[in-house]
Amino acid sequence: QSALTQPASVSGSPGQSITISCTRTSSDVAIYKFVSWYQQHPGEAPKLIIYEDSKRPSGVSNRFSGSKSGNPASLTISGLQAEDEADYYCCSYAITDSFNYVFGTGTKVTVL
Amino acid sequence: QVQLVQSGAEVKKPGASVKVSCKVSGYTLTELSMHWVRQAPGKGLEWMGGFDPEYGETIYAQNFQGGVTMTEDTSTDTAYMELSSLRSEDTAVYYCATFGESFDYWGQGTLVTVSS
Repeated sequence: QSALTQPASVSGSPGQSITISCTRTSSDVAIYKFVSWYQQHPGEAPKLIIYEDSKRPSGVSNRFSGSKSGNPASLTISGLQAEDEADYYCCSYAITDSFNYVFGTGTKVTVL
Repeated sequence: QVQLVQSGAEVKKPGASVKVSCKVSGYTLTELSMHWVRQAPGKGLEWMGGFDPEYGETIYAQNFQGGVTMTEDTSTDTAYMELSSLRSEDTAVYYCATFGESFDYWGQGTLVTVSS
């Protein structure tokens, strides 16, 4: 089964930059298309923060940036703020013998 | 701006079925591609399926094929997700979400608890 692996947790101090990786499994032969990223605060629905690898929806802070050069894809949060403490998920769609949208395993970001 | 409002929490017994609704406003349902994602307590997000406009049909994740049915009522702009033969492992928050090249807009989530 196709899968996207993220670090379980990443932490940083206010003002620092952190990067979250999104790695497809090494044995995966699926073709992955665009990567998107979602932020989820406790008790809330996920919120789209990056789409098509590196684009930001209107209203999302430019402190969030995404990139996908080969494997892994990554999300960088610059100028870390207390409100950035949340869970983050990457997502892509994998084309194998079926068509599946796959979410990453999720990363808990802690602001120290 | 798309808004998605889901039905309220449900408690079901094992073996029963549940039907969750997702009311669209701001757009019509025919303009959107609606998908469903679930999240078990303390766990990550899991895509269940959704409408693929390229093929004109609903596609389901392999893990849910045969156990979930997604339908739409375009007269009321409401999408539905019905999950049958519920098991305790189906206890989760179920989200509807619209899809363009990503899951753009999300409903608030519906908690479904399966317990005897």
